[in-house]
Formats: sequence, C-alpha cells, structure tokens
Amino acid sequence: SSELTQDPAVSVALGQTVRITCQGDSLRSYYASWYQQKPGQAPVLVIYGKNNRPSGIPDRFSGSSSGNTASLTITGAQAEDEADYYCNSRDSSGNQEVFGGGTKLTVL
Amino acid sequence: QVQLQESGPGLVKPSQTLSLTCTVSGGSISSGGYYWSWIRQHPGKGLEWIGYIYYSGSTYYNPSLKSLVTISVDTSKNQFSLKLSSVTAADTAVYYCARLTRGDRDFWSGYFTGWFDPWGQGTLVTVSS
Repeated sequence: SSELTQDPAVSVALGQTVRITCQGDSLRSYYASWYQQKPGQAPVLVIYGKNNRPSGIPDRFSGSSSGNTASLTITGAQAEDEADYYCNSRDSSGNQEVFGGGTKLTVL
Repeated sequence: QVQLQESGPGLVKPSQTLSLTCTVSGGSISSGGYYWSWIRQHPGKGLEWIGYIYYSGSTYYNPSLKSLVTISVDTSKNQFSLKLSSVTAADTAVYYCARLTRGDRDFWSGYFTGWFDPWGQGTLVTVSS
C-alpha cells in the first residue's frame, strides 16, 4: 500500500499534550518522518527515525511507532505549534516516498 | 549548512513543459549519500512527492507522474532540475526541492528510515493561458 492516513484536524489546549497519528501498512517496516508547515512557509523537519529531532527543534516534540501507526507527540503545546503536520515514509515496495494528507493542529 | 533554492518561470501555458531548477549551496551534490527530490503542493492541499535523482543520475519517479516527469542533475553547477511535460491547470502548485536522506537500517527494530531536510523555500507555478 502507498497510503498514509492522518486525521484532518486536531486541537489542543495551550500547555496540554497532543498526539498526531499516521497510519499505513509501510509503517510496519519504515519509520515515519514528520514535518511542520506554517502558512506560506516550506515544511520543516521536526522528527525523523525512531525519535530524533533536528537541531533547533524543541524537545517537546517526540515521535513513536507501534505496528502500522506512527505518532508525533507535542508535550506542552505552545501557540507557535499551531500548523499543519505531515508524516512521510516509503511505500511498502521501498522505492516510492509518500506523504500523509496532513493534520491541521489548532492550539486553543 | 546546505541550502536549496528553486528557480524558474512562475507562469506556464497549458500543454507546455514546466521547467524548474534547484541550486544547492553549502554542500556538493556529488558527495553522495543523498537523493535530490522534488515535491509539490497544490493550493490548499497536501504534499505530493514527484521524484528524486541521485548524483550518479539514477532516478525514481512517482508512478502517477512517471510518464510526464524528467529529473536531471548537473554536478558541475551543483544543480538538479525538474521537467514536467504537457501541463494542465491541475499542475498549478508550489514546487519544492528537498534533500532526501535514507538512513541505515535500525539494528534493533529492523526499520528503515528516511527524511527530507533541508527544503527550498518553494516556488509557485501557475498553469494558465
């Protein structure tokens, strides 16, 4: 399968914890990477591999994986975390890159 | 610090060929280990991977676009390019170039990993007569 499925929208109260999920058969063999995109800007990598953060990404961002589901967790969400979040992985063949449909995160 | 910058026409007529170039600075395409990629985003929509090229010239394309896409590399200029033929209004999108890293298989889990970083700022291409 070449599909990654994300919830279209999620909301979280300021300072609370939110989990954004990504489902797909390929996630049983491939870690997802996660990207944050704010309006009018290019996506920014926030999590890759098992649970790695690029330099400059706050440690409130973390990643995990179980079965066919990858998760991005934001612990203590901040107003500046309001954005669209996309997961990415390879398809089951290992050749094609695929993105989830994106999750719009609203911080209340 | 590697940086990527897209360039090319912002307006293309239907049935013509869309051509974009991505210039890489702060690192060499020829150094190997990375897959130089194109990704697009239709207005208000999600991300769509178009394809990638390795510095050696090996390519892989999204099957849904394969017949229309050509990605090439010019190592002497540290650039790679995208050509999308026979465009229609449906090809109107922001086009991004990005560097794809495919990491080693995790010893404990057996999982593979990969990520796109960095990205260019993106360039809007409108297909219209």
